Amino acid sequence: EAQVTQNPRYLITVTGKKLTVTCSQNMNHEYMSWYRQDPGLGLRQIYYSMNVEVTDKGDVPEGYKVSRKEKRNFPLILESPSPNQTSLYFCASSLAPGSPKYFGAGTRLSVL
Amino acid sequence: QKEVEQDPGPLSVPEGAIVSLNCTYSNSAFQYFMWYRQYSRKGPELLMYTYSSGNKEDGRFTAQVDKSSKYISLFIRDSQPSDSATYLCAMSPDRGSTLGRLYFGRGTQLTVWP
Repeated sequence: EAQVTQNPRYLITVTGKKLTVTCSQNMNHEYMSWYRQDPGLGLRQIYYSMNVEVTDKGDVPEGYKVSRKEKRNFPLILESPSPNQTSLYFCASSLAPGSPKYFGAGTRLSVL
Repeated sequence: QKEVEQDPGPLSVPEGAIVSLNCTYSNSAFQYFMWYRQYSRKGPELLMYTYSSGNKEDGRFTAQVDKSSKYISLFIRDSQPSDSATYLCAMSPDRGSTLGRLYFGRGTQLTVWP
C-alpha cells in the first residue's frame, strides 16, 4: 500500500529536549516536505527536499532542521524545542514538485 | 495579503445540497491547483488536481479554475454527511524559485446534516 508514515503520532516533551520526528514514504517519490498546522493559520511549509541531499527552507524554518540522506526518509529535527513549536505536523511526498502531494497521518507535538 | 484566501466558514448544509467552496489567490505564477479534504485528526487527503485553467469532474466533485480572475472552486453535488470535513485549497507554481512549494488556504469547515 502506498503511504507516508510518520512517527511518533503523539509526543509530549519539555523545552530544550532534542527530538526527531521520522517520515518515510514507499512510493519512490523525489519530493518531500514538512508542514505545521495551527488553528487560524492553516498549513505552513517548514522545509522541503527536491531529492537526496537537496533541502531548502519553506515559510517557517526557524527552530527546525531536516536531512535527506535516503530517498525514502525525511526526518524533522527540533534541536531545542520551545512551546511555540507545539503544533500538528505533517510530512508529505510527491513524484515531482508540481505533482499531487500525499500526506502522512500527522504528529501532534506538545512542548511544555 | 496572504497568497491564498479561503473563507473558513463554518458552512452547514442539509444532505443532498450542492456545496460551493472557493479560493482566491494573488500569485499569477500558480499553475497547479488542488483540493484536499481533511477529517478531524487525520492528514489531508487529495480530492482534485488540475493544471492551469478549466474544469475537472470526478463523481460528485467538480473543480473549476479561472486563472483570469485568480479564482478556484470546488462543487460537491448531492452532499452526504460523510462529506463533513475541512476542505483545503492548495496551489503551486510550475517554475521559479518557489517551484514545488505548496500554498494552502486556511480551509473551510463543512458540515452536512442528515
